[in-house]
Amino acid sequence: AQKITQTQPGMFVQEKEAVTLDCTYDTSDPSYGLFWYKQPSSGEMIFLIYQGSYDQQNATEGRYSLNFQKARKSANLVISASQLGDSAMYFCAMRETPRGQNFVFGPGTRLSVLP
Amino acid sequence: DAGVTQSPTHLIKTRGQQVTLRCSPKSGHDTVSWYQQALGQGPQFIFQYYEEEERQRGNFPDRFSGHQFPNYSSELNVNALLLGDSALYLCASSLEPRRQETQYFGPGTRLLVL
Repeated sequence: AQKITQTQPGMFVQEKEAVTLDCTYDTSDPSYGLFWYKQPSSGEMIFLIYQGSYDQQNATEGRYSLNFQKARKSANLVISASQLGDSAMYFCAMRETPRGQNFVFGPGTRLSVLP
Repeated sequence: DAGVTQSPTHLIKTRGQQVTLRCSPKSGHDTVSWYQQALGQGPQFIFQYYEEEERQRGNFPDRFSGHQFPNYSSELNVNALLLGDSALYLCASSLEPRRQETQYFGPGTRLLVL
């Protein structure tokens, strides 16, 4: 069965610093996708970044990058130059593509950016 | 380009009642998935609709049912509400069968069961 682990319930980072949010996953399927979502207090899940299991390079989207280590089954999110608006819950999710499009989410990490 | 919309935003019901939540997918999307997010947890997959049929289902009882209309919008129905059904209900839309396509979420409906 799919499983996503996020071991950091809460993280603090100083404004303008970089922060890494951890995510490990468990799957026996060779084809899968990994996603990160941001959820502000308003509740909406905002898509940040995607990494496919066969992608050779780590994904990047603006200030977000994904540190993908396939052998270790980890997909850590790196946020550079943190901003106050980055304070939110962050969820790592996985989809095993042959099985359909539903996602399995981790428990999330609450990030607080300090001024 | 309209994103995913959901209604209502908030809802209060009592145990035993029935509730219907609605979702309109992002323009151009034809697949709708529903998730339940309890307080302090990650979203849990309820089911997915494509071509007006339930395509996949998570580990939820039959009290949870849904429907997809020809315009791709969708409804989630929950019967015989329990206190434990209190949660944020998220709708997500995507394109099928593009496997690399991500899901885009709506703002959610907060359901409180008293």
